[in-house]
Amino acid sequence: DTAVSQTPKYLVTQMGNDKSIKCEQNLGHDTMYWYKQDSKKFLKIMFSYNNKELIINETVPNRFSPKSPDKAHLNLHINSLELGDSAVYFCASSPPLGQGTYTFGSGTRLTVV
Amino acid sequence: DQQVKQNSPSLSVQEGRISILNCDYTNSMFDYFLWYKKYPAEGPTFLISISSIKDKNEDGRFTVFLNKSAKHLSLHIVPSQPGDSAVYFCAASGSSNTGKLIFGQGTTLQVKP
Repeated sequence: DTAVSQTPKYLVTQMGNDKSIKCEQNLGHDTMYWYKQDSKKFLKIMFSYNNKELIINETVPNRFSPKSPDKAHLNLHINSLELGDSAVYFCASSPPLGQGTYTFGSGTRLTVV
Repeated sequence: DQQVKQNSPSLSVQEGRISILNCDYTNSMFDYFLWYKKYPAEGPTFLISISSIKDKNEDGRFTVFLNKSAKHLSLHIVPSQPGDSAVYFCAASGSSNTGKLIFGQGTTLQVKP
């Protein structure tokens, strides 16, 4: 039973399209995150939600919009996809004040062509 | 401006020997440091952590050392095993309680049988 699950695992799409990545956690954690791993392999935070409330919003283009319908889900919608959006996107969750002990999903590899 | 850096992109060691992975940081406000391990096509998994009030934390074959004056931490794996072959990420967090982690770019460890 996967603790943090992301779908889809792979996503290939054309420039200009709109796509969504879904994330669900069954750990009962209050906090969820989206991280982006770029071509240089750095993992950079994009967003964080605590109990459905946005608490971190890094410098991310407005084309990226997270949505948290409940504390177990954090989806990422991307409008007007660009070539530079190609990356691996990781969802993660953590307990409150969990001292950073994230549980990550397996990642979604997005390729924009 | 990368606040956490892992300057060695790769490391190769013989099975049974010690592996030493290094990490440097620039922000003196970081108070908690973690190491994550990542296998291909999987998300990072938590390995070991250390608070800034300590200089060493040990868990089985894994030991993390923190040198605050040098803003440097290292992960020692001894003895190294082929199953340890993976990408290792160093991460740091501050006292903002947002749960935000800043990651390095990772070091790929190969343990040869």
